[in-house]
Formats: sequence, C-alpha cells, structure tokens
Amino acid sequence: NAGVTQTPKFRILKIGQSMTLQCTQDMNHNYMYWYRQDPGMGLKLIYYSVGAGITDKGEVPNGYNVSRSTTEDFPLRLELAAPSQTSVYFCASSYSLGRADTQYFGPGTRLTVL
Amino acid sequence: SQKIEQNSEALNIQEGKTATLTCNYTNYSPAYLQWYRQDPGRGPVFLLLIRENEKEKRKERLKVTFDTTLKQSLFHITASQPADSATYLCAWASGAGSYQLTFGKGTKLSVIP
Repeated sequence: NAGVTQTPKFRILKIGQSMTLQCTQDMNHNYMYWYRQDPGMGLKLIYYSVGAGITDKGEVPNGYNVSRSTTEDFPLRLELAAPSQTSVYFCASSYSLGRADTQYFGPGTRLTVL
Repeated sequence: SQKIEQNSEALNIQEGKTATLTCNYTNYSPAYLQWYRQDPGRGPVFLLLIRENEKEKRKERLKVTFDTTLKQSLFHITASQPADSATYLCAWASGAGSYQLTFGKGTKLSVIP
C-alpha cells in the first residue's frame, strides 16, 4: 500500500494564479482531511470529507475549495492565490472518525506564493 | 474557547534519559488526545491515543498519561535515542459532534549522544 500520496511536492505560484493539490489514498478510508502548517504553528484544518460527495469546512476554509467524487481522491483547489496561502499542505485520511482514530498523513506539498 | 498548548518549543535531552513532553488544555477535558511524531519535511505519524477515562497508555518505550485534574497530558520516551529526535505534536478532539482534531504547535525534541 502506498498510503496517502500527494502531488506536487513543491510549487511556486504567482499571486492570482490557481492550482489544484492532489491527494489520493489507497486504504479505502471514508474520512479525508486537508491541513495547512505554517512555520512554528500547529496544523490547521481546512476542509474534511466523511465520504464521497460529502465535504465540510474546517477552521480555515477561506480561499480554498474541495471536492470528493471518489473514495480515493480528495483534491484541494486554490483560487486566486495570495501570499497568505504560502504554507505546507498535508492531506490525511482515517478509517473512522478522526478524533478517535489514527490519521494517516501524506508527505505534504510545500507551496510558495510570490 | 478550548486551547491546547505544548509547553516547550524545544527540549534537549541526553541519550538514555527519559524525555517528558507536556500538553496542557484549558476549559473542558478533551474526549480524546493523540500524539504524533513529525520529522523534518514529512507528514506527522500517529503514535498513541488516550481517552478521557484512561489514565495511561503504553507502547514499547512510549507512555502517555492523562490527568484531568491538572488538565494535562504527559508524553514520555524512556531510554531515549538520537533517532527519537523529532517534533512531537499533541492533538485533541471533543467527544460530541466534532470531526476535528486540533493540533498543538509541537515540541522539538533533540536527543544528544
């Protein structure tokens, strides 16, 4: 099993550009999450999904969109990139509710917006 | 609102000693508290989960305690090794109606040979 994979690993965007961060898991997990991690800060939840077709906002959703058309994939869309979105983005998945179960994280995408 | 704080940004410890990391919370007791390890440039890796009604959990050289009176969780690594050097994150979740884990900022542990 590859676990949770994310692409790309690194990306530099110009202000106002858009991009999609890809996330795929092969563990047949229903629950998937997107976090961002800024230097010296804890992980902040952006969006989460409890199954295909169902998504909801986390703590910091502004400037992002998600979709979940399959169990495996949970892409994160950045529209009109801003310098404040410079961060490391992690995708995670869990078999059951994240609060009571292990979350498996991907390797992250380091995004810089200039 | 609920806050979770990890007391130290960094902790240096001699190899072979026990490392103790602290996670404090305010207000109500979290239903679940998890500990993760994060190496530079990598995603967090789950280590241990402890529930509100549990006082202690162990896994090999790792031990987590949960003291609802002190509003604190302690994470211990016994017989620490240089390979234990990493950032350790605690994360809490409330019990009812919440899918969210809230993460602390982490404590960077350095085990000195």
